[in-house]
Amino acid sequence: EAEVAQSPRYKITEKSQAVAFWCDPISGHATLYWYRQILGQGPELLVQFQDESVVDDSQLPKDRFSAERLKGVDSTLKIQPAELGDSAMYLCASSSGSPPYEQYFGPGTRLTVT
Amino acid sequence: AQSVSQHNHHVILSEAASLELGCNYSYGGTVNLFWYVQYPGQHLQLLLKYFSGDPLVKGIKGFEAEFIKSKFSFNLRKPSVQWSDTAEYFCAARDLGNTPLVFGKGTRLSVIA
Repeated sequence: EAEVAQSPRYKITEKSQAVAFWCDPISGHATLYWYRQILGQGPELLVQFQDESVVDDSQLPKDRFSAERLKGVDSTLKIQPAELGDSAMYLCASSSGSPPYEQYFGPGTRLTVT
Repeated sequence: AQSVSQHNHHVILSEAASLELGCNYSYGGTVNLFWYVQYPGQHLQLLLKYFSGDPLVKGIKGFEAEFIKSKFSFNLRKPSVQWSDTAEYFCAARDLGNTPLVFGKGTRLSVIA
């Protein structure tokens, strides 16, 4: 069964450093989401892509976060500089872009900022 | 703004006990509703979903949920829990179409022998 791939699974970084996460959606899925899940909370949307275009990045802290999906396939989420409050699980999800628009989640990248 | 509320932060049940987890949503229009489960160390997995039609939805692993429009609720139920149901459960909602999910804060279920 096809899955959403994410790497790394775990990342420890010092504050003020740069960090990047990678996501490879299910093949053929046009829509890609990045969510952030802070410990004890539900996931919250950071950014949504449709192919290579950003559909919604209203919740992305653009002063330090950036996301790209240059060829409309895999995607990278970057944080620079990382802050202590960025410690969280970063989840990638994809959907086919056709009804019923079911989202499939990857295993996530757990980020710890020290 | 759309929001999803889950009433219980942590629920502890004995095996074979019945389960009901509360979920309320605040949305202006027609909404799709979901329950996801996250077992320790694993991905978020879809348990069940409601789009339209019969308000009683059956999902995987014996779970079901009832959509009550007048109460803006979508509670998750299981008649008899097992130790393997120990996990975090998330209620989520979205507008119709290819839109992002809005999640509740989750309920941690611990099932003890």
